[in-house]
Amino acid sequence: AQSVTQPDIHITVSEGASLELRCNYSYGATPYLFWYVQSPGQGLQLLLKYFSGDTLVQGIKGFEAEFKRSQSSFNLRKPSVHWSDAAEYFCAVVAYSGGGADGLTFGKGTHLIIQP
Amino acid sequence: DAGVTQSPTHLIKTRGQQVTLRCSPKSGHDTVSWYQQALGQGPQFIFQYYEEEERQRGNFPDRFSGHQFPNYSSELNVNALLLGDSALYLCASSYGTGGLETQYFGPGTRLLVL
Repeated sequence: AQSVTQPDIHITVSEGASLELRCNYSYGATPYLFWYVQSPGQGLQLLLKYFSGDTLVQGIKGFEAEFKRSQSSFNLRKPSVHWSDAAEYFCAVVAYSGGGADGLTFGKGTHLIIQP
Repeated sequence: DAGVTQSPTHLIKTRGQQVTLRCSPKSGHDTVSWYQQALGQGPQFIFQYYEEEERQRGNFPDRFSGHQFPNYSSELNVNALLLGDSALYLCASSYGTGGLETQYFGPGTRLLVL
């Protein structure tokens, strides 16, 4: 079965500094990978997704992620964070069974804190 | 264009009761998925509805059931509530079921079971 690991429960970054959030996945075939952000009291918003092709994916709000098959990773990056980036970030994978695409399997999330 | 809407926003129930949560998908979407998000955890897939049928299901007991209506809106029903069912319940909609489609999430219904 597929799984997603986000090793960092909390990360604190100073405003204007760069950011990298880690995500490792376990899935036998080529994974379809996603990063979502959840702000307090709000639903999840898709930042970016990877299906195939270029392993560096650009998303919204200045985020990007790089798929590395050899490391089973899909880390999220941003060159300069803003206070409004403080939120919960989730990495997710969708897998396929005999009946087609399953639902998203999420990691436990990384809570991003921005220091002024 | 309204996004995914869910009702109610909050709900308090007692153990053993039954609850119904509702979801209206984003305009043009035909697929609805439900997720349970316990405090401090990532969302867990409950099931997905397409063409008024449950097409995929996660690892949840059959106390959890659902329905999709001809207008694509959906309900999640939970019977015989347990304390552990306290969570944020998220609805997501998409167009199609191939797995590549972006799922758009609603704000969720927060359920507290006492």
